[in-house]
Amino acid sequence: EVQLVESGGGLVQPGGSLKLSCAASGFTFSGSAMHWVRQASGKGLEWVGRIRSKANSYATAYAASVKGRFTISRDDSKNTAYLQMNSLKTEDTAVYYCTSLKSSGYYFNYWGQGTLVTVSS
Amino acid sequence: DIQMTQSPSSLSASVGDRVTITCQASQDISNYLNWYQQKPGKAPKLLIYDASNLETGVPSRFSGSGSGTDFTFTISSLQPEDIATYYCQQYDNLPPTFGQGTKVEIK
Repeated sequence: EVQLVESGGGLVQPGGSLKLSCAASGFTFSGSAMHWVRQASGKGLEWVGRIRSKANSYATAYAASVKGRFTISRDDSKNTAYLQMNSLKTEDTAVYYCTSLKSSGYYFNYWGQGTLVTVSS
Repeated sequence: DIQMTQSPSSLSASVGDRVTITCQASQDISNYLNWYQQKPGKAPKLLIYDASNLETGVPSRFSGSGSGTDFTFTISSLQPEDIATYYCQQYDNLPPTFGQGTKVEIK
């Protein structure tokens, strides 16, 4: 059974930092690009960024709204992806989902349950 | 960035009705168009990939069509369990972008 389990969400003050984790099982994590997508309460889905596999040099890409503040990494030995969020703003408040891109495909086939990040003083 | 314009933003239909949602891309995205279903408090779930391919395990009442800039998602016979918000999403270019969503309710 495929599972993606996010953790690390919580309440943080503006300007603070938080690191989310996404633990994967049930599929070939090391060969998959991992993405983060967020959703503010009552709003739509917004892509945050991605990290590709080792075969693709662990290349990262980010949405303009988070570039320079967020960093995505992965540890294939632990089947885990990470989202380091620095200089957090109130507008970063959202549920953060990790999702995997289908190998040789262009769609998100597996999703985690999401973890809530609240940025507030 | 490629803009995805989805319509309608919400709809109300009766059980058994045919439901259609459209999605228009701001530029040609070939068939790199996917549809997701999201129920309240849950993660999105892939239903249709590459515009018209049904994901394994998804009921056949769901279908998709289109290419280029204009796409359609159809529920052939609406069921109570289909109450959700549906999103289109393109992956022709980074960043992947989503439509604003269509909330489907039962009349």
